[in-house]
Amino acid sequence: DPKIIQKPKYLVAVTGSEKILICEQYLGHNAMYWYRQSAKKPLEFMFSYSYQKLMDNQTASSRFQPQSSKKNHLDLQITALKPDDSATYFCASSQGTANTGQLYFGEGSKLTVL
Amino acid sequence: QQKVQQSPESLSVPEGGMASFNCTSSDRNFQYFWWYRQHSGEGPKALMSIFSDGDKKEGRFTAHLNKASLHVSLHIRDSQPSDSALYFCAASPNTGKLTFGDGTVLTVKP
Repeated sequence: DPKIIQKPKYLVAVTGSEKILICEQYLGHNAMYWYRQSAKKPLEFMFSYSYQKLMDNQTASSRFQPQSSKKNHLDLQITALKPDDSATYFCASSQGTANTGQLYFGEGSKLTVL
Repeated sequence: QQKVQQSPESLSVPEGGMASFNCTSSDRNFQYFWWYRQHSGEGPKALMSIFSDGDKKEGRFTAHLNKASLHVSLHIRDSQPSDSALYFCAASPNTGKLTFGDGTVLTVKP
């Protein structure tokens, strides 16, 4: 059974709209992350949370807002969508920090913006 | 400039052969190195970590780290078709944020 659940697996949106990507982890980890993977860039770090607090934000745009309603949830809200936002978004988690503790990734949510 | 650079971009080896990947970091703050593997349609999965100079062996996989040159390599012996995937090198300072390289596509031909 997958331990990190991402929903939806695929989604199509129109330019200017808003979407929320869902992530739940059942590994008991205290740190959660969002990464983005596109044809242009490799796995690109976006956010890290530890005990539901934002630790690091490498996303320049405020259109990307993580939301942590529970310890094992880290959703990603994307507003005013642009075609350049088209990518696969991966949620990940780790016990402790990701330098010494391995990251566990979900299967991703593939977003296409038309 | 990309802080973690991988080579080659792609690699093809026969079944049973040796696959070798290279990775160099341009940031001397990076002290922790990982190799991840991603099969098509899946999320990346950690293969192994290496934090100290020298070799680290886990089954068919051997990683080598040279901290002075910030160079890390991965070698897969007896490659299998199931090893065909995208391989990422990742590095981190002592902050927990992992930076990934562009990846190397490995194809193992039966």
